[in-house]
Amino acid sequence: AQKVTQAQTEISVVEKEDVTLDCVYETRDTTYYLFWYKQPPSGELVFLIRRNSFDEQNEISGRYSWNFQKSTSSFNFTITASQVVDSAVYFCALSEVLGAYNTDKLIFGTGTRLQVFP
Amino acid sequence: EAQVTQNPRYLITVTGKKLTVTCSQNMNHEYMSWYRQDPGLGLRQIYYSMNVEVTDKGDVPEGYKVSRKEKRNFPLILESPSPNQTSLYFCASSLQRTNTEAFFGQGTRLTVV
Repeated sequence: AQKVTQAQTEISVVEKEDVTLDCVYETRDTTYYLFWYKQPPSGELVFLIRRNSFDEQNEISGRYSWNFQKSTSSFNFTITASQVVDSAVYFCALSEVLGAYNTDKLIFGTGTRLQVFP
Repeated sequence: EAQVTQNPRYLITVTGKKLTVTCSQNMNHEYMSWYRQDPGLGLRQIYYSMNVEVTDKGDVPEGYKVSRKEKRNFPLILESPSPNQTSLYFCASSLQRTNTEAFFGQGTRLTVV
């Protein structure tokens, strides 16, 4: 069954440290999409990135980078030189469209709370 | 401005008193869904809709109802709320399917006493 595991419940770092948030997924299909969303203390959910299962290239956006490895079913997120404003809960999510069942669900992990201290 | 609007933002109600949480999007998105967020459990999908008049159960549909009579609106109905439905609820929409970016509402914090 499809599942997203974020084993790190909470991570604390000091500003300027690099930090990696882990995401491991399980899926039945060969076509799927992975996402990361950020939930800052204000509560809203903010889209960060989408990656499809056929694109294993790593992506970098400023201080953020993502490492997608199909061989280990992982889609890890690294923040370089962390800042206090990065403090948030980060969710990894899996989109799985099962045409045979006509279902389309977005499955979230349980989230990782990142606290960055000055 | 493109947005998903949920109302109310906060609600305290009593067990058994029917309530509706409204959700509206102005982006002409086909896919809409409801999630509940609970500590340690992340976001879990309650119901989703792939288009007008097309709805389906998510992972935790018990105790909830939805309808999709118009493309822009997707209300969440609790016919007889119970304390275990105390949670933070999010409505979301995406252009076509879940493989596109989801836009979330601001959330509704519901307390059932």
